Amino acid sequence: AQSVAQPEDQVNVAEGNPLTVKCTYSVSGNPYLFWYVQYPNRGLQFLLKYITGDNLVKGSYGFEAEFNKSQTSFHLKKPSALVSDSALYFCATSNAGGTSYGKLTFGQGTILTVHP
Amino acid sequence: ETGVTQTPRHLVMGMTNKKSLKCEQHLGHNAMYWYKQSAKKPLELMFVYNFKEQTENNSVPSRFSPECPNSSHLFLHLHTLQPEDSALYLCASSPTTTGGEQYFGPGTRLTVT
Repeated sequence: AQSVAQPEDQVNVAEGNPLTVKCTYSVSGNPYLFWYVQYPNRGLQFLLKYITGDNLVKGSYGFEAEFNKSQTSFHLKKPSALVSDSALYFCATSNAGGTSYGKLTFGQGTILTVHP
Repeated sequence: ETGVTQTPRHLVMGMTNKKSLKCEQHLGHNAMYWYKQSAKKPLELMFVYNFKEQTENNSVPSRFSPECPNSSHLFLHLHTLQPEDSALYLCASSPTTTGGEQYFGPGTRLTVT
């Protein structure tokens, strides 16, 4: 079975500082990894994905994430946080093969708050 | 969010009512999904449709009945719900079910009284 863990329920950073939202995963086989953001009363918006290739993936709104196979992690990062980045962030994974092929499994979410 | 639309955005229903949620995607995708999002819990996949055929039912109670008449439309028919079914119901679509990203609608906030 595949799973995703987001160890922090909340992350607080000051505007202009770098931010990191952590994610670890467990899948059998090669993982596909995703980050989504959810603003209040809205659906999830796709930010970025890792399928294969470069371990550093760049996505929307200046976000990036680094795939680390040895640590089974896919942390979301941004060099300089904005107040408008405050939202709920979800990490997700799907299996590139096997019985759960294509099925997305989400973490429990991390609330990011960026203070002015 | 205009790629995937959901109606209604808010719904309040009694336990004996029957209602339906509607989802429409304008992205030309072939796969559609229903998710349930409850407070303090991870998103729960409910159903998956690929080319109008149901490929996954994640042990969802029969009081939730999905319908996919074509690749662009997905319904969730609701009857005799329980208060614990109150949640945000999210629809998503993707080109296929082969592991790519999914695109979500804004959701329907359901309250069962």
